[in-house]
Amino acid sequence: DAKTTQPTSMDCAEGRAANLPCNHSTISGNEYVYWYRQIHSQGPQYIIHGLKNNETNEMASLIITEDRKSSTLILPHATLRDTAVYYCIVRVAGANNLFFGTGTRLTVIP
Amino acid sequence: DTGVSQNPRHKITKRGQNVTFRCDPISEHNRLYWYRQTLGQGPEFLTYFQNEAQLEKSRLLSDRFSAERPKGSFSTLEIQRTEQGDSAMYLCASSLDSATNEKLFFGSGTQLSVL
Repeated sequence: DAKTTQPTSMDCAEGRAANLPCNHSTISGNEYVYWYRQIHSQGPQYIIHGLKNNETNEMASLIITEDRKSSTLILPHATLRDTAVYYCIVRVAGANNLFFGTGTRLTVIP
Repeated sequence: DTGVSQNPRHKITKRGQNVTFRCDPISEHNRLYWYRQTLGQGPEFLTYFQNEAQLEKSRLLSDRFSAERPKGSFSTLEIQRTEQGDSAMYLCASSLDSATNEKLFFGSGTQLSVL
């Protein structure tokens, strides 16, 4: 699976949009971009995934660049409960594994 | 949907003892994953089952680690002759087999402390 690069940490003011970047310059054509988050003392939680089109669900939006070498996860109105570590993962669909990196620690500030 | 259940939540053991953790996946999920997570690190993939078949086990940390899913439902992870370095959170996840739309659901983990 391709490697991803994320900032170690970010802050965001409560109520503002949180934009979390991810670089995956070696992504292959059959690899999807997945985002998970992990709130302290809990297991990771699925957020969203996409192949090449932008995606939106009730939790977040995923913007993938046209060359697919990077993406941004957007939390439109961050709340204190969004404070977590966010993991960007690239993975072949249906693969027998899912590899996490070290992620971005997002802190939402009141 | 009761979610993925892991037991026990916490386990304290002495070095050299064997420990076993149990994972009950979401009932209709056929894929099951085990991970280990140490402080400040992301989850580390260990092994994967599709139904009762263990299709990926090359990432198990040593031959002291083994996992089973005998009837394709619950799974167990056993660590033999525990070492202090085995202290970590052990996470289980399950999903439905979907090539393009797979979402893993994680349990809350078992925290192992080896004294």
